[in-house]
This record gives sequence, C-alpha cells and structure tokens, in this order.
Amino acid sequence: GENVEQHPSTLSVQEGDSAVIKCTYSDSASNYFPWYKQELGKRPQLIIDIRSNVGEKKDQRIAVTLNKTAKHFSLHITETQPEDSAVYFCAAITNDYKLSFGAGTTVTVRA
Amino acid sequence: SAVISQKPSRDICQRGTSLTIQCQVDSQVTMMFWYRQQPGQSLTLIATANQGSEATYESGFVIDKFPISRPNLTFSTLTVSNMSPEDSSIYLCSVDGQGTYEQYFGPGTRLTVT
Repeated sequence: GENVEQHPSTLSVQEGDSAVIKCTYSDSASNYFPWYKQELGKRPQLIIDIRSNVGEKKDQRIAVTLNKTAKHFSLHITETQPEDSAVYFCAAITNDYKLSFGAGTTVTVRA
Repeated sequence: SAVISQKPSRDICQRGTSLTIQCQVDSQVTMMFWYRQQPGQSLTLIATANQGSEATYESGFVIDKFPISRPNLTFSTLTVSNMSPEDSSIYLCSVDGQGTYEQYFGPGTRLTVT
C-alpha cells in the first residue's frame, strides 16, 4: 500500500514568515494529494489539494507543489498568522479513494 | 460540501462493552469511510463502508472487532466491540465530495475506555 512520509514533525515560525512542509509518497499510482489542517479538538479540514497532472496550485497564502518524478509534494504558507497554528497532514490517494496520511506537522506561529 | 454529523460526540465506556457510532450525511454520497485517530497521532483508515454490501477492511482491522453497516447512501455505523483501553481514540467518518477525490470529515467521536 501507499506510504506517506512527512517532515518536519514540528515547525515554529515567526508571524509573517513562511512555513514549508514536505511529504514523499511511495506509490507511483497515487494521483491526488490533499492537505488537511486540524485545530485542537476539531475535525481535519481540507485546505488545498493537487492532482497528478498539475505541478503547482495556489490559494491566497497557501500553495502546494508536486514533483511526480521525485514523488514528493510540499505545502507552502506565506505571511503566517497566529490562526495558522495547527497540525497539518498531507495525504495521498490512488484510484480506490483510500487516503494514506502522513504523520502530521505541528505548526506554531509565534507572535 | 456535505454536512456530516456523528453521534455520540464523546463517550466513556467500560472495558468489555461495545459502542456504536453513527455517521449521518445531509446528501447522498458514494463513498463513506471510517478512520481512527489515536491521541496525538495521524489518521488511520479502518474500512470503507459499502452501501448494500460488506465493508472492506484495512490490514489490522477485522469485522468482528469493528462491524460496520451502511444501509443507505446517507448513513453508516461503526461498532467498537469488546473494548479495551487501547481502543481509546477519536473515530471519524469521512465522505467523498460528490464523486470527486475530495474527502470531508465528520466532527469525530472521542472514545475513552476505562
């Protein structure tokens, strides 16, 4: 099955700085890569996703890049704000719609 | 996206008992899934709830321990059977976004087994 690795496990940034989280996947058949944000005590929320036929996608301060050859994808958050503090999970999916999650990154934005 | 609810939101149960968790969606969905999130950990897929047929379980999860029902396209239940403290987790259902790969999660059920 799919194996997704995520780094770093924790990330502390100064407010206004950028944050980058990186993930690698093992199954070359994976074709959809979502990112979820989970605040304490809340459900995971889909914040951005990218499909295998796209190299980059942006949504305001959030962007995701995908390198299919290297089997890695990254989340970029610019101009971080205190409300960006949360646990972020990357995931990968194949044609069976089953999500395989990374271990998560705890992001802390320091005011 | 669909509105997803789960019942109960939390429960404290005695070891050896069973708990059934309900997942309700406000619109018909093709795919429904059940995940477990142990304290401080990532999400692990338990099974795919198939409408009108037996659920498909992932490695490490068995039907006797986690029986699942899916009687229609808007509802599913997960039962955690013969519970032990190791079953203390958050259990979440998820649904697909109208036939897309997008998945949306319910609010979760926080289970504590004593």
